[in-house]
Amino acid sequence: GDSVTQMEGPVTLSEEAFLTINCTYTATGYPSLFWYVQYPGEGLQLLLKATKADDKGSNKGFEATYRKETTSFHLEKGSVQVSDSAVYFCALIFDNYGQNFVFGPGTRLSVLP
Amino acid sequence: DVKVTQSSRYLVKRTGEKVFLECVQDMDHENMFWYRQDPGLGLRLIYFSYDVKMKEKGDIPEGYSVSREKKERFSLILESASTNQTSMYLCASNDQGWNTIYFGEGSWLTVV
Repeated sequence: GDSVTQMEGPVTLSEEAFLTINCTYTATGYPSLFWYVQYPGEGLQLLLKATKADDKGSNKGFEATYRKETTSFHLEKGSVQVSDSAVYFCALIFDNYGQNFVFGPGTRLSVLP
Repeated sequence: DVKVTQSSRYLVKRTGEKVFLECVQDMDHENMFWYRQDPGLGLRLIYFSYDVKMKEKGDIPEGYSVSREKKERFSLILESASTNQTSMYLCASNDQGWNTIYFGEGSWLTVV
């Protein structure tokens, strides 16, 4: 079945460091791909998305490119801030009814001042 | 902005009690979902609904039921709460189609 694999956390970085969180997926077709972020004590918020190959999603300085050839959707940010400390979830959906979301296990990011 | 509202952020209930978790969305979405989130286990789908009075079991429906009498409202029911249902519960909604799913802020349930 469809699945999402994310790099193990936690990830600890110093402020202004470069961030990469790896995400790869297994799917039989061409899903839409998402990154969600969860700040402490809150629900998940959409960070960015891409719906077809080579699309780049971006928001708040974060970027991810839909790579069909490597089935990947890695999240990057050039300079992280303490306020980026959160759990990041990679997700995909692969149906016409919006019902079958598959979430990765989440990667916890801690940014130190 | 899409708004998914969960009526209770923090609840403490006793074992054996019947518990209702309420969720309302304001975007006329067809689909609504209930997830459970536990450390190390990620998000697990309990139930979802694709229309009024329609429901489908997710990955972990045991011990739960749901109700969707109106399009905007989706309730999760724990018929007889148990301590292993202590968790964070997340409601979500979206349109049919390959579309973004929107989450509420979560309900922290502790069963003692």
